[in-house]
Amino acid sequence: GAGVSQSPSNKVTEKGKDVELRCDPISGHTALYWYRQSLGQGLEFLIYFQGNSAPDKSGLPSDRFSAERTGGSVSTLTIQRTQQEDSAVYLCASSLGGELTQHFGDGTRLSIL
Amino acid sequence: EDKVVQSPLSLVVHEGDTVTLNCSYEVTNFRSLLWYKQEKKAPTFLFMLTSSGIEKKSGRLSSILDKKELFSILNITATQTGDSAVYLCAPYSGGGADGLTFGKGTHLIIQP
Repeated sequence: GAGVSQSPSNKVTEKGKDVELRCDPISGHTALYWYRQSLGQGLEFLIYFQGNSAPDKSGLPSDRFSAERTGGSVSTLTIQRTQQEDSAVYLCASSLGGELTQHFGDGTRLSIL
Repeated sequence: EDKVVQSPLSLVVHEGDTVTLNCSYEVTNFRSLLWYKQEKKAPTFLFMLTSSGIEKKSGRLSSILDKKELFSILNITATQTGDSAVYLCAPYSGGGADGLTFGKGTHLIIQP
């Protein structure tokens, strides 16, 4: 059965480069969530999509972060001009609209050198 | 600002022991509380608690919510090494973000 798929699973890049993280939710799930987990920290909520729209972007850490979702399915999280503090595991989750149980992908481990 | 405090932050016990993990929360417009188990990668869902005082059970795991005192506990009986993980609690507030506020988790280590 297809769960939430994230790619790449690991990304190492140099400071100042842009990165794009991809999330493919469970088919039929209308809600999609992005989280960040830094070393030793809890999960930090970033943004969620209901369909293609993101009602609340206030969780994004800075204006270098942006996210989009097209066709109500795949979402991309883009980080521009990466900084070392962006190093973390970025997790994506999806859920049926109005259903609280969120199903997580395995995450993308991002390392900024 | 929403707040979630889990305790203890870490716990080491021997196989067969029973453990109780705590989660206290302060969130506006509280709706439900979710528990997750996180091993090496993504969290896996354990329980969703909406009503106060009703215990949910799954095998050796059980959980209960107290909406008056604003806390939840997760119990694991007859622990096994496979229970070693970080256990996360997340109250759902249904606020503008419609996401979950996660605690920092309890790192549980079960020694053989």
